[in-house]
Amino acid sequence: DAGVTQSPTHLIKTRGQQVTLRCSPKSGHDTVSWYQQALGQGPQFIFQYYEEEERQRGNFPDRFSGHQFPNYSSELNVNALLLGDSALYLCASSLQTSGVLTGELFFGEGSRLTVL
Amino acid sequence: QKEVEQNSGPLSVPEGAIASLNCTYSDRGSQSFFWYRQYSGKSPELIMSIYSNGDKEDGRFTAQLNKASQYVSLLIRDSQPSDSATYLCAVGKSSASKIIFGSGTRLSIRP
Repeated sequence: DAGVTQSPTHLIKTRGQQVTLRCSPKSGHDTVSWYQQALGQGPQFIFQYYEEEERQRGNFPDRFSGHQFPNYSSELNVNALLLGDSALYLCASSLQTSGVLTGELFFGEGSRLTVL
Repeated sequence: QKEVEQNSGPLSVPEGAIASLNCTYSDRGSQSFFWYRQYSGKSPELIMSIYSNGDKEDGRFTAQLNKASQYVSLLIRDSQPSDSATYLCAVGKSSASKIIFGSGTRLSIRP
């Protein structure tokens, strides 16, 4: 049973560029949440996707956007990259009916983005 | 005011002792409370969840919740070097359908 998979694992971009990160949720899960984790900080909630729609959003600018596909996989897009966007981007999958109440967020290993 | 606050540490505890980790949260509507462990370079993993006031024990781990004080804690008994990690407190509210994390407390168990 495959867990949460993310790609790419590492990438380097320059300021102003755009990046797309991908996530496949754990088998049987239908909800994907994206988090940004800067070095030495806790994960910051970016947004959550369920039924191909953005359901919740954290305090992130519109440069951050996403998408969920019919197979529940998801993408995170960041436009006009800033140096401050350098971080580990974590994808977490869950079941919509139980995710928040049980805390069963299953995390991928993350995509480490470096912006130069 | 941050939604979930933790002391960043590092907290250094001798092997075999009790490690005590604390967390406060700001939203009184929060309904679910979690502790995640994150080893360096790895992703977070859930170790404890608690939903009602009081204590919940699981092996060497005990989670404590006091909703009146908006306070959550995690006790680790008989600390082992393998417990050295960052511990993230997280809070969920079903109406918001999202889980918010604190900044984490770095725990170091010294032999």
